[in-house]
Amino acid sequence: NAGVTQTPKFRVLKTGQSMTLLCAQDMNHEYMYWYRQDPGMGLRLIHYSVGEGTTAKGEVPDGYNVSRLKKQNFLLGLESAAPSQTSVYFCASSDSAAREAQYFGPGTRLLVL
Amino acid sequence: GENVEQHPSTLSVQEGDSAVIKCTYSDSASNYFPWYKQELGKGPQLIIDIRSNVGEKKDQRIAVTLNKTAKHFSLHITETQPEDSAVYFCAASKGGNYQLIWGAGTKLIIKP
Repeated sequence: NAGVTQTPKFRVLKTGQSMTLLCAQDMNHEYMYWYRQDPGMGLRLIHYSVGEGTTAKGEVPDGYNVSRLKKQNFLLGLESAAPSQTSVYFCASSDSAAREAQYFGPGTRLLVL
Repeated sequence: GENVEQHPSTLSVQEGDSAVIKCTYSDSASNYFPWYKQELGKGPQLIIDIRSNVGEKKDQRIAVTLNKTAKHFSLHITETQPEDSAVYFCAASKGGNYQLIWGAGTKLIIKP
């Protein structure tokens, strides 16, 4: 049982490049989330999903897109990376029965030059 | 919208002493208050949570208290140990859309 895994662990992009961050969970959780963490600002929700095939915007969705084609996977896409998107990205999941208790992956550190 | 403030931003305590971290929230409709611990290079991990119908909850050396009237909740760690060194985050939720609003975090340093 690996819990929540994220790939890649670290990535450097140039401004304007695109990339996809992959999150996978093996706990059969219904809900999945993408956060960004910046120094001194805690975690901010980018997008979330309450089930396969559904997505919704969080607090800071601009510049990001997501897809949940399979229940166990939640993808975060950056179509045209900007330096302001330099951050650590965390994926989390939660069970439908105890949905507020979120389980986090180890994070992806992204640097946009 | 909801806002969660967390204090202090850094807390240094002697090993064996107690540590207290406080959070205040703005939305009186919030009803779920978790605390997460984040170790260096890892994702946050849920350590304890409390719902608005409970005033206090304990789990071994950690406890959380909630004052709904004042809209604040606190994390208490007793008999601190070196492995307690980490960044601690509080959060609040109204349920419904399952979104958590997070505090900015407290770096807890345990001095030997």
